[in-house]
Amino acid sequence: GAVVSQHPSWVICKSGTSVKIECRSLDFQATTMFWYRQFPKQSLMLMATSNEGSKATYEQGVEKDKFLINHASLTLSTLTVTSAHPEDSSFYICSAGGIRGESTDTQYFGPGTRLTVL
Amino acid sequence: QKEVEQNSGPLSVPEGAIASLNCTYSDRGSQSFFWYRQYSGKSPELIMSIYSNGDKEDGRFTAQLNKASQYVSLLIRDSQPSDSATYLCAVIASGNTPLVFGKGTRLSVIA
Repeated sequence: GAVVSQHPSWVICKSGTSVKIECRSLDFQATTMFWYRQFPKQSLMLMATSNEGSKATYEQGVEKDKFLINHASLTLSTLTVTSAHPEDSSFYICSAGGIRGESTDTQYFGPGTRLTVL
Repeated sequence: QKEVEQNSGPLSVPEGAIASLNCTYSDRGSQSFFWYRQYSGKSPELIMSIYSNGDKEDGRFTAQLNKASQYVSLLIRDSQPSDSATYLCAVIASGNTPLVFGKGTRLSVIA
């Protein structure tokens, strides 16, 4: 199956700093990557959809200037949480879709990044 | 507003029994349906995908889809304690559009 990695797996930072999270597809090229956020005991909330080489599409209520997404290649997308605050502490998960040779609907999830902002 | 509804549970079943998880969706035009399993503190793991009406079996798992009733279910046969997790139903209207997730059903398999 398709493998998606995320780095780092967990991060603790001070309020006001920026944090970059990388999402990589290891053995395939994905045309689309999705970024989700999950608070404790809640379901996944889609933050944005990114296609390689184009601007990300953000969901309503997600600040695009705070959550910067770059999808520079078919195997790498990054999410940067700028000026992080404690309320940004969450579990951030990416997924990759549009995999060649499979139904474009199938999405594979990375292992997630747990962000704690002090 | 596209919605996916699941009973939050917890659903408790004894080891060896069949666990039945249900999901309804609001967008009649939905074409693709998925079940993900999520252990506490981990990201979702794809279990099954189903695209046409009827049953699809994979090992101990069977997904059932009824588009007329806008209903999709997951059956887990011979449930094991290791199956204890939250099961997320997810629906896509068309290719490369975002998954719409239900809130998940927590399953507990009692040894």
